[in-house]
Amino acid sequence: DAGVTQSPTHLIKTRGQQVTLRCSPKSGHDTVSWYQQALGQGPQFIFQYYEEEERQRGNFPDRFSGHQFPNYSSELNVNALLLGDSALYLCASSFKDPNSYEQYFGPGTRLTVT
Amino acid sequence: DQQVKQNSPSLSVQEGRISILNCDYTNSMFDYFLWYKKYPAEGPTFLISISSIKDKNEDGRFTVFLNKSAKHLSLHIVPSQPGDSAVYFCAASVYNQGGKLIFGQGTELSVKP
Repeated sequence: DAGVTQSPTHLIKTRGQQVTLRCSPKSGHDTVSWYQQALGQGPQFIFQYYEEEERQRGNFPDRFSGHQFPNYSSELNVNALLLGDSALYLCASSFKDPNSYEQYFGPGTRLTVT
Repeated sequence: DQQVKQNSPSLSVQEGRISILNCDYTNSMFDYFLWYKKYPAEGPTFLISISSIKDKNEDGRFTVFLNKSAKHLSLHIVPSQPGDSAVYFCAASVYNQGGKLIFGQGTELSVKP
């Protein structure tokens, strides 16, 4: 049973560039959430996708956008990168059930902006 | 505004003893709480959870206690094992926002043989 997978593992970008990160949810899951984890901090919720729509959003600017595909996989896009966007980006999947708070996380993508 | 706080960045415990990790929250709307464990180069792994209608939940060596009046929860690990060494995150959620987890800053637990 494949867990949550993310690609790439590491990425280095320059300020002002754009980046796309990818996530495949755990088998049987249809909901994907994205989190940003800065060094020494806990993960911060960016947004959640279900049925190919953004359902919830955290306190992140519009530079952060996403997409969910019919096969439930998802992309996170960040435009006009800033040095402060350097972080570990985590994808989590779950089954869309009001009682399903338990999310399964992927290993993350480490983004470095120089 | 840090709604979930873990005030101890690190904790060191001897193998076989009890580890107690603490978490405080400010939002009284939170009704579900979770603990995640994270090893380096891996994503957080779900450990144990508790609903706000309970004050205790046990799963093997792990027990979570919830004190709603104090807005405080704790994770007890008994007995602690070297393999428990990891960063532990407390997280909270509101029922109709089931997908949005609010995490604390984490506590790094080191269990020494």
